[in-house]
Amino acid sequence: SYELTQPPSVSVSPGQTTSITCSGDKLGDKYACWYQQKPGQSPVLVIYEDRRRPSGIPERFSGSNSGNTATLTISGTQAMDEADYYCQAWDSSTVVFGGGTKLTVL
Amino acid sequence: QLHLQESGPGLVKPPETLSLICSVSGGSISSSSYFWGWIRQPPGKGLEWIASVYYSGKTYHSPSLNSRVTTSLDTSKNQFSLKLSSVTAADTAVYYCGRGLESGRTGKWFDVWGQGTLVTVSS
Repeated sequence: SYELTQPPSVSVSPGQTTSITCSGDKLGDKYACWYQQKPGQSPVLVIYEDRRRPSGIPERFSGSNSGNTATLTISGTQAMDEADYYCQAWDSSTVVFGGGTKLTVL
Repeated sequence: QLHLQESGPGLVKPPETLSLICSVSGGSISSSSYFWGWIRQPPGKGLEWIASVYYSGKTYHSPSLNSRVTTSLDTSKNQFSLKLSSVTAADTAVYYCGRGLESGRTGKWFDVWGQGTLVTVSS
């Protein structure tokens, strides 16, 4: 079965740029998307089709996908961005989620 | 604005069947533009996809849960449902329903999520 691998945790200082990676076999040949989930809340879509932002998502969120890695980049990270982030793709008729990355804004 | 709301028992005994309904308001499930899905999250763990169902009747289930999962749409009530049979403690999780969109051959994502409902499996 297809797997997506994310680092368990990432730390960043306020105002800095941070990236969260998601690795999978030939992931660049598929579309990837990203969700943000804050404690006690439902996931929120922040990136779809590799790099598109839904309405209402700040411009500081951006995405890319090439080779075996999709990347979520947050520019000028704010304290409110502290959350769990999950990548997701579709393979062989199944929706696959990465294991999630806890972003800490120190 | 589209709103999804999960409902169902918060406690299920093993090895009974877990049954949940997702009620949709602010939009119709009878649209070929979307699909509808179930995702769960065990306490303190990550997201796990369970199933997706289309207005056409096409359904897709997680291979790891496939034999225990039944999904359906009820267009008359604008809701869709999930049944998970032979539950064990490992099925304890927050269960979310969501609206899915797709693009091309591989682009599928959930743009609207319900608030989630905690289902505990315990005797």
